[in-house]
Amino acid sequence: AQSVTQPDIHITVSEGASLELRCNYSYGATPYLFWYVQSPGQGLQLLLKYFSGDTLVQGIKGFEAEFKRSQSSFNLRKPSVHWSDAAEYFCAVGGRNNFNKFYFGSGTKLNVKP
Amino acid sequence: GAGVSQSPRYKVAKRGQDVALRCDPISGHVSLFWYQQALGQGPEFLTYFQNEAQLDKSGLPSDRFFAERPEGSVSTLKIQRTQQEDSAVYLCASSGKGGQATDTQYFGPGTRLTVL
Repeated sequence: AQSVTQPDIHITVSEGASLELRCNYSYGATPYLFWYVQSPGQGLQLLLKYFSGDTLVQGIKGFEAEFKRSQSSFNLRKPSVHWSDAAEYFCAVGGRNNFNKFYFGSGTKLNVKP
Repeated sequence: GAGVSQSPRYKVAKRGQDVALRCDPISGHVSLFWYQQALGQGPEFLTYFQNEAQLDKSGLPSDRFFAERPEGSVSTLKIQRTQQEDSAVYLCASSGKGGQATDTQYFGPGTRLTVL
């Protein structure tokens, strides 16, 4: 069965510190992987996506993520967090054979301490 | 318009009422998706349209839920005889001038439905 697990419900980091948000997936075929960010009252915004090729992908706002097939993971990272990064982050998986259906994780809420 | 828009942004319904939620996708986008996001959860897929054709409705939770996109642009999600468990944010997304699997989904701000 297809699923996405984000094990951390809440994370708090200090401004300027590094960040890593975890995502593990279960998918029966070659996955397409996504990270979205959701700010209060806003729609989901795509940060980055992985379809194939280089397993380290760069996204907007200084985010990057690394696809590790052996670990079924697609963790999101940022070297230095800004207060404006406080939001909820969702990992999602889809696939070449079922591209119309995304499976989302339950989200990680990021708080940033000044 | 510049992005996906949804209306109303907030809807309060009494249990048993019918509601209709509207989605205006990005102009020219072929694909349109509806998701349901319960409080504290990630979005869950409801249904998918390619142009006016509803190609996947496997996520609709019951036959009280119905979606349409008659002219291949605006879409309406209708919920009949609303129940308290229908309370959620309903998200619409659109993608793709080419309907490709790699097209990015652009999300609207959602409609928050509260059923009393």
